[in-house]
Amino acid sequence: DAGVIQSPRHEVTEMGQEVTLRCKPISGHNSLFWYRQTMMRGLELLIYFNNNVPIDDSGMPEDRFSAKMPNASFSTLKIQPSEPRDSAVYFCASSLIQGVNTEAFFGQGTRLTVV
Amino acid sequence: SQQGEEDPQALSIQEGENATMNCSYKTSINNLQWYRQNSGRGLVHLILIRSNEREKHSGRLRVTLDTSKKSSSLLITASRAADTASYFCATDARGNEKLTFGTGTRLTIIP
Repeated sequence: DAGVIQSPRHEVTEMGQEVTLRCKPISGHNSLFWYRQTMMRGLELLIYFNNNVPIDDSGMPEDRFSAKMPNASFSTLKIQPSEPRDSAVYFCASSLIQGVNTEAFFGQGTRLTVV
Repeated sequence: SQQGEEDPQALSIQEGENATMNCSYKTSINNLQWYRQNSGRGLVHLILIRSNEREKHSGRLRVTLDTSKKSSSLLITASRAADTASYFCATDARGNEKLTFGTGTRLTIIP
């Protein structure tokens, strides 16, 4: 398996533009997580899905952020409009939650710069 | 908010020495995990310890868990230059798959 695949790896955009980050989880995994990492705030969980259903989006900063998982093999995180403070590395992770096993597999991340 | 707090924030040791990192958390947990992150990369799972376990080994890694103190430690023995990375603990609660990460320890191994 190729692991969790994120695209793009790098994104530079102007303030006010819409940004869409994409994630393909590992086939067969039933949970998907979006995290944001910055020096100041560390790793923050934004939202997670279980069986394609959003379970907890309490970490989504504000209405400018939205996430979807239309099927088991694809998820998007959208920021509209983007702001400079959204600059961060965004990670997608997937997991096969079975009993006590909660190991997460991370993608390589998308480094977002909003200028 | 951060569930776990790693200590120290940064650690530099000579190659061959042992490295110990600590993690404290706030609420009851189901599992505690340790992850490694190399610069510019995603996180990689190292080891998982369940709340009813006290110690676990994997290769050069040794993890302990003290649920009464809400703390865990990660020991890397005979460190190598390739162990240079940031190390994070992560916890999840019973019935809640949400993984919450700590602030991380940046480990530097000096050749």
